[in-house]
Amino acid sequence: DIVMTQSPDFLALSLGERATINCKSSQSVFYSSSGGNYLAWYQHKPGQTPTLLFYWASTRESGVPDRFSGSGSGTDFTLTISSLQAEDVAIYYCQQYFTTPWTFGQGTRVEI
Amino acid sequence: QVQLVQSGAEVKQPGASVKVSCTLSGYTLTELSMHWVRQAPGKGLEWVGGFDGEERETIYAQNFQGRVTMTEDTTRDTAYMELRSLRSEDTAIYYCVADMGIFYWGQGTLVTVSS
Repeated sequence: DIVMTQSPDFLALSLGERATINCKSSQSVFYSSSGGNYLAWYQHKPGQTPTLLFYWASTRESGVPDRFSGSGSGTDFTLTISSLQAEDVAIYYCQQYFTTPWTFGQGTRVEI
Repeated sequence: QVQLVQSGAEVKQPGASVKVSCTLSGYTLTELSMHWVRQAPGKGLEWVGGFDGEERETIYAQNFQGRVTMTEDTTRDTAYMELRSLRSEDTAIYYCVADMGIFYWGQGTLVTVSS
């Protein structure tokens, strides 16, 4: 199984600050024939369904504010929130869908 | 637009079975791969199983082998996940997730296992 490791586990920042969350996979999730990284990012707030932020590592889902960005390739990926807002308080997960079993990072809790 | 509507919350005794449904609208089941993910209280997201497009078969996570069965009724565009021999550790919210290269989630079904 591909192991997904996020860092840090917890991030406490001030409003307007930049948040950076890293995700590392134990093997590459880049599929050369499609040219894509099989990596998604989710935002999960208590009591709600996880919200898809990015797929193919950097393709922003419709409706996601542009202060969120996804980057990286192969085994190393980053989710960045350029200017943290109060509504961004949540747990963020990366997920690989390169192969089954799908695997998720352990989550990064972001607080103000 | 894809919508997934899951069945309601369930309370089961240890050793019982539960069957959760997930009804799709906007597309048909034949146009996507359906997966199931769960979140236990205070824990992260855990993949239970789903249709592997490469293998062309339903694959189950090792932790659930022999206890879970995922089926589909294409006439109703409804997917089902049955989990048997329930234990307290199976208490969780179970989500269906439609994989179309982009992912759509159901609203979740809380399954509580308690005597």
